[in-house]
Amino acid sequence: DVKVTQSSRYLVKRTGEKVFLECVQDMDHENMFWYRQDPGLGLRLIYFSYDVKMKEKGDIPEGYSVSREKKERFSLILESASTNQTSMYLCASSSGPGDTQYFGPGTRLTVL
Amino acid sequence: GEDVEQSLFLSVREGDSSVINCTYTDSSSTYLYWYKQEPGAGLQLLTYIFSNMDMKQDQRLTVLLNKKDKHLSLRIADTQTGDSAIYFCAESAPSSYNNNDMRFGAGTRLTVKP
Repeated sequence: DVKVTQSSRYLVKRTGEKVFLECVQDMDHENMFWYRQDPGLGLRLIYFSYDVKMKEKGDIPEGYSVSREKKERFSLILESASTNQTSMYLCASSSGPGDTQYFGPGTRLTVL
Repeated sequence: GEDVEQSLFLSVREGDSSVINCTYTDSSSTYLYWYKQEPGAGLQLLTYIFSNMDMKQDQRLTVLLNKKDKHLSLRIADTQTGDSAIYFCAESAPSSYNNNDMRFGAGTRLTVKP
């Protein structure tokens, strides 16, 4: 079975803190993605990676960075969290371009 | 950019059929997907259809694709309270290797009333 896990289901941080969201997939997938989900806006792509150490900006990369040191792990970093980054963060992976994306359970981040 | 649009809300009674609609603009779409998101959870792939098909049935789920009108629908027969969730339409198209090529709608919140 396909499995994508995220390090936390719920996270509460303070404005200005550095935040790490971790995602791990066990399917040897090449592509990994970070989305944020906000009511009425659906999923918006933050960053994606198509190989180790490779990354591409998505639609809303501002305020975020990513790291992919190993194939199975893709991290989303908020260098200095702000209240407008309160959201649900979803990680996904796929085996190749255009292939089905499989999602993790999501991390609901609240920035106070 | 290319858009995927769906209505935000749908309410049905238990036992009725639900039909969730989606329109997309990219004529080169290869696969079209329906994902289900239950409260507090991630997205779960429900079903998908290849663009050269016009219908796919899987138990209570029927996917209809009108490629000419770029219209996709998901019909849930005998809708149950456990079907209450947000349903996302998504499409993907061939692209160069390092491009993201999957686009999601905003999601339709289905509420099933007993």
